[in-house]
Amino acid sequence: DADVTQTPRNRITKTGKRIMLECSQTKGHDRMYWYRQDPGLGLRLIYYSFDVKDINKGEISDGYSVSRQAQAKFSLSLESAIPNQTALYFCATSSRQDNGYTFGSGTRLTVV
Amino acid sequence: QKEVEQNSGPLSVPEGAIASLNCTYSDRVSQSFFWYRQYSGKSPELIMSIYSNGDKEDGRFTAQLNKASQYVSLLIRDSQPSDSATYLCAVISGTASKLTFGTGTRLQVTL
Repeated sequence: DADVTQTPRNRITKTGKRIMLECSQTKGHDRMYWYRQDPGLGLRLIYYSFDVKDINKGEISDGYSVSRQAQAKFSLSLESAIPNQTALYFCATSSRQDNGYTFGSGTRLTVV
Repeated sequence: QKEVEQNSGPLSVPEGAIASLNCTYSDRVSQSFFWYRQYSGKSPELIMSIYSNGDKEDGRFTAQLNKASQYVSLLIRDSQPSDSATYLCAVISGTASKLTFGTGTRLQVTL
């Protein structure tokens, strides 16, 4: 099983719909992150959480919200999806002792 | 100025040659530096980390850090076609403990 699991792997949704992307990890890491990746723009941080009670906005949090349900679970919601949220979304984890990130396999989201 | 800058490429090198990938960063207090490899449509994979000035070698990969010049590089020796991918430079600045990524350099290793 993968250390960091993202679901779904692919999703097509309509403009205005609410959608949730889920991330779970078995690495025992306390820190979790959501990034989106767009061609030419690289990976941009949406939200991050250093523990269950800590949630922080990243550089592009508008239109998104998150929930840290447990140390191992961190979900990302698009409250009302719009076409420019079409992107590849990655969840990542890290520990306090080792700053190297482990990434999930990604969710390819298309908003039509 | 972008926080982490990389040439987007593509950088084309023949099989067996040395590939040299470069990255500059803007925050002088940056402490931790990483190189990730990403195949098309896949997730980034950590290949090297470096924290102090100088060289760090791991197999065919060597990371080089020069904090005075705010420059970090990755050398890939004996390049193979399987090394063809996008290489992402990432930096942790100050006490933020979160990575800022460059946009990546696409490497093509030709036969």
